Amino acid sequence: KQEVTQIPAALSVPEGENLVLNCSFTDSAIYNLQWFRQDPGKGLTSLLLIQSSQREQTSGRLNASLDKSSGRSTLYIAASQPGDSATYLCAVHNAGNMLTFGGGTRLMVKP
Amino acid sequence: GAGVSQSPSNKVTEKGKDVELRCDPISGHTALYWYRQSLGQGLEFLIYFQGNSAPDKSGLPSDRFSAERTGGSVSTLTIQRTQQEDSAVYLCASSLTGTSSWDTQYFGPGTRLTVL
Repeated sequence: KQEVTQIPAALSVPEGENLVLNCSFTDSAIYNLQWFRQDPGKGLTSLLLIQSSQREQTSGRLNASLDKSSGRSTLYIAASQPGDSATYLCAVHNAGNMLTFGGGTRLMVKP
Repeated sequence: GAGVSQSPSNKVTEKGKDVELRCDPISGHTALYWYRQSLGQGLEFLIYFQGNSAPDKSGLPSDRFSAERTGGSVSTLTIQRTQQEDSAVYLCASSLTGTSSWDTQYFGPGTRLTVL
């Protein structure tokens, strides 16, 4: 059974800092890995999807990497802004076609 | 274009009542998923529909939970004889194929269910 872990569970940083969120998974037989953002009381917004054959994806200030063999992914956020404050969820797409989610990292960027 | 929509946005019910939650996926998406997000449990998969195939019900927590997808589009999640532990946010997602490595799941805003 796939298990996904995210570290840290919560993070508070001053505006402008670069930061890294970590995700690890136990079963490397994945189709892809997605990073989502969730604002309080809202649904999930897809940020980046990395296919199993890829090493990284970039979108604006976000960069996600994937090391499938070691079961790890990182989400790098450059020059953080208060608007980046949210919960970030990592999810792995397995052969069972559902996503298995990590517990999330609650990010607070202070002005 | 329109995203995934869900209704109602909030539902308060009494223990023992039945509830129906609705999901309208993105037009043209063949795959539809239901997840549940509750305190202490995180986000967990419930059920998956892909085209005309039999649904994957492996995540349903009990036989009080059922779901159907009519005409390959709208889906309804039904919870019978609701219990307080059913209180959660129920999220629906859809994706284009459900089977490709580039397949992105798009989520609706969720239905917050409170069982008193």
